[in-house]
Amino acid sequence: QPVLTQPPSASASLGASVTLTCTLSSGYSNYKVDWYQQRPGKGPRFVMRVGTGGIVGSKGDGIPDRFSVLGSGLNRYLTIKNIQEEDESDYHCGADHGSGSNFVGVFGGGTKLTVL
Amino acid sequence: QVQLVESGGGLVKPGGSLRLSCAASGFTFSDYYMSWIRQAPGKGLEWVSYISSSSSYTNYADSVKGRFTISRDNAKNSLYLQMNSLRAEDTAVYYCARIYSSRTRTFDYWGQGTLVTVSS
Repeated sequence: QPVLTQPPSASASLGASVTLTCTLSSGYSNYKVDWYQQRPGKGPRFVMRVGTGGIVGSKGDGIPDRFSVLGSGLNRYLTIKNIQEEDESDYHCGADHGSGSNFVGVFGGGTKLTVL
Repeated sequence: QVQLVESGGGLVKPGGSLRLSCAASGFTFSDYYMSWIRQAPGKGLEWVSYISSSSSYTNYADSVKGRFTISRDNAKNSLYLQMNSLRAEDTAVYYCARIYSSRTRTFDYWGQGTLVTVSS
């Protein structure tokens, strides 16, 4: 099954942009990845799914247009433009592995985004 | 609106058992696969288990296989996780999550979580 790697931390100034990266392990370049936002003390919230062609399907409920995704090779990116204080969160990427009704879920270690 | 509310967490001794519940509302529960995902204190997310809409299929992470059992009651719109032979490393916040579809296995809605602490 794939391993998803995320840098543990990132920071950006209010109003700036930041790109978070999730890297799939070798051999899994065709995998789609889901991004989740987790505000302090809350449960995760689905942001959007990304493949090598970009967004797959629709964004999660209430996700603003400031959030976008790209995919290239083994990397899946989440970009946040015009960062707001409420964007300070942990961001997790996840994927599923397996066929039919026999699958497992995998997650990266998460990136803590600090808004300066 | 979709709501998932977990309950049943608490303090339990190593080797003990606990049963978590997740009450679902705002959608047709019987149409969706469901999952449990946990997060140890200060750590990332770890997928635990899933169950298909009619309970025909389940799967578990290796770390819990043989100790945890997922189940559901579609008449009660409820998801369960029976946890036996608990270990200190099972200490975590446990989230239930809805799976978007059997083909697109996105966890599209999550609950607020329930804390399980395994300690003597």
